[in-house]
Amino acid sequence: QQPVQSPQAVILREGEDAVINCSSSKALYSVHWYRQKHGEAPVFLMILLKGGEQKGHEKISASFNEKKQQSSLYLTASQLSYSGTYFCGPRSGAGSYQLTFGKGTKLSVIP
Amino acid sequence: NAGVTQTPKFQVLKTGQSMTLQCAQDMNHEYMSWYRQDPGMGLRLIHYSVGAGITDQGEVPNGYNVSRSTTEDFPLRLLSAAPSQTSVYFCASSYSTSGSHEQYFGPGTRLTVT
Repeated sequence: QQPVQSPQAVILREGEDAVINCSSSKALYSVHWYRQKHGEAPVFLMILLKGGEQKGHEKISASFNEKKQQSSLYLTASQLSYSGTYFCGPRSGAGSYQLTFGKGTKLSVIP
Repeated sequence: NAGVTQTPKFQVLKTGQSMTLQCAQDMNHEYMSWYRQDPGMGLRLIHYSVGAGITDQGEVPNGYNVSRSTTEDFPLRLLSAAPSQTSVYFCASSYSTSGSHEQYFGPGTRLTVT
């Protein structure tokens, strides 16, 4: 079952902040975040592992609440280059290789 | 490294035709997968492989076959194309480092079935 992402779409002015949420009905081992620009392939942003280890990317950070089975992506001081569709991809276990992606959140940053 | 390559980039098929979408990676990744992307649906997993000779079904496997004879290649076969298979197909590969499984995506194949 796909995780639920919210919001579905958001429009920001340069410099504004945004939060994208990802909720799963399954217990989570880790959560991946990817960004896809129009007409291109998804690109890995970061991963959050059970136990708190995470990696960051530019001014983008994320949190992972294992008990609530939720992850949130935080984009601060947004830039035009942040525009794209963001996908979360939870994994349910260490031995579970496949990701089940959400439907995505379309972020548009305008001048 | 070329990373993950996919061919063709574009393809138009008639209903009932068969074809193979090619995917190759030169990073010695164990794990490879195929996704399809439709508007508003995100990325849905078709099939995946955890190593040569090992494949398994994802969320939407019907109408597709895969095989993994080598670590590098993971072709996706459409046995009898249907208009519902019109989509953008992405191949991805990953390795496991501390359980991360960061995935690298190919550029995609845009398939239209008429």
